[in-house]
Amino acid sequence: NAGVTQTPKFQVLKTGQSMTLQCAQDMNHNSMYWYRQDPGMGLRLIYYSASEGTTDKGEVPNGYNVSRLNKREFSLRLESAAPSQTSVYFCASSEGLDSSSGNTIYFGEGSWLTVV
Amino acid sequence: RKEVEQDPGPFNVPEGATVAFNCTYSNSASQSFFWYRQDCRKEPKLLMSVYSSGNEDGRFTAQLNRASQYISLLIRDSKLSDSATYLCVVSNGSYKLIFGSGTRLLVRP
Repeated sequence: NAGVTQTPKFQVLKTGQSMTLQCAQDMNHNSMYWYRQDPGMGLRLIYYSASEGTTDKGEVPNGYNVSRLNKREFSLRLESAAPSQTSVYFCASSEGLDSSSGNTIYFGEGSWLTVV
Repeated sequence: RKEVEQDPGPFNVPEGATVAFNCTYSNSASQSFFWYRQDCRKEPKLLMSVYSSGNEDGRFTAQLNRASQYISLLIRDSKLSDSATYLCVVSNGSYKLIFGSGTRLLVRP
């Protein structure tokens, strides 16, 4: 069972370089998310997509762009990487947005990104 | 003040011990509450939702205290495999989940 798959797992970038993190889910979920996790802090939402064709900013969107390519895929792009974007990135998906209705969020295995 | 606060630990307990974690939240309008488990260098996974009446799943018991705005997780008969970081998660019912920074549990032989 693949669930949520994200690539790459590890990446080192130089300041100013660009890259795209890829994410795909095979659970036919409507909603997808990108989070970042930093030491001593909880996961923070970067962007989310309620359904195919829509994307919205989360808590920390600056420096990132996203594309909901189709129902399965949701990519995160860093246009000009900065050291402050060194973090672990998690893609996630859920049936819908409403967390009170038992919509469990499933996470990918994470992407470790270092910007030097 | 953080919206969701947890003691980072680590809680270091022997196998078979009972251990409890608390988590406080600041938004009184919060509606949904969860505990997630995260193993080292792995993704978070839902452990259990927390209901107003409290709920139990095997060795795990979750409680909600709305008046004092905290939730708790009790683990009985700790196993080595329970060693992980436990994330408290709070939501106002929408997509917006607020994650605590986690409490680390180490269960020793």
